[in-house]
Amino acid sequence: ETGVTQTPRHLVMGMTNKKSLKCEQHLGHNAMYWYKQSAKKPLELMFVYNFKEQTENNSVPSRFSPECPNSSHLFLHLHTLQPEDSALYLCASSRTGLAGDNEQFFGPGTRLTVL
Amino acid sequence: RKEVEQDPGPFNVPEGATVAFNCTYSNSASQSFFWYRQDCRKEPKLLMSVYSSGNEDGRFTAQLNRASQYISLLIRDSKLSDSATYLCVVNIRGGGADGLTFGKGTHLIIQP
Repeated sequence: ETGVTQTPRHLVMGMTNKKSLKCEQHLGHNAMYWYKQSAKKPLELMFVYNFKEQTENNSVPSRFSPECPNSSHLFLHLHTLQPEDSALYLCASSRTGLAGDNEQFFGPGTRLTVL
Repeated sequence: RKEVEQDPGPFNVPEGATVAFNCTYSNSASQSFFWYRQDCRKEPKLLMSVYSSGNEDGRFTAQLNRASQYISLLIRDSKLSDSATYLCVVNIRGGGADGLTFGKGTHLIIQP
């Protein structure tokens, strides 16, 4: 249905595990994003990549590590997470990151639970 | 003052009624404004951008009031399928996507 896919859709991990979230967009866009959506909190922008260059890191803890190997793929590497990191992690893309050209197209999200 | 603030609701509205909700933003330099819609357990999707002169798309009308720093969304002749959470999105740093800030959302329930 959407041009942005995310895997896995659900993930349960322990605090000592290392896992990665994957996002792929089939829209020919040049900007990709990671967001965190927690219960009763607004969507929080975590990272922005524009033409494969990271342009934003909103004070995200280092236990979250993004990787953007090309403009179609985005990863979020996770290690030593905390239970409060449990949330829905949404990937989005836009044609560019510029004003007037950054309509966000979201993927379905990965529901992450940290035990 | 929160950067982007919305009444969380829920707004319970009978089918066919008109409903309106507002969103206030704190940064007067904000340039871009949007309404997104998020259905339960789904991803957000763009409903409409909000332009300075106001804009309309079918049953939906969006308005921007820069002086009072709020945007509004009006839904006429509401349908059951309009039930969703409506997210106000403001670019608080100018135009680029790195400044996009989301409100918590307003939950709308259309009742038959």
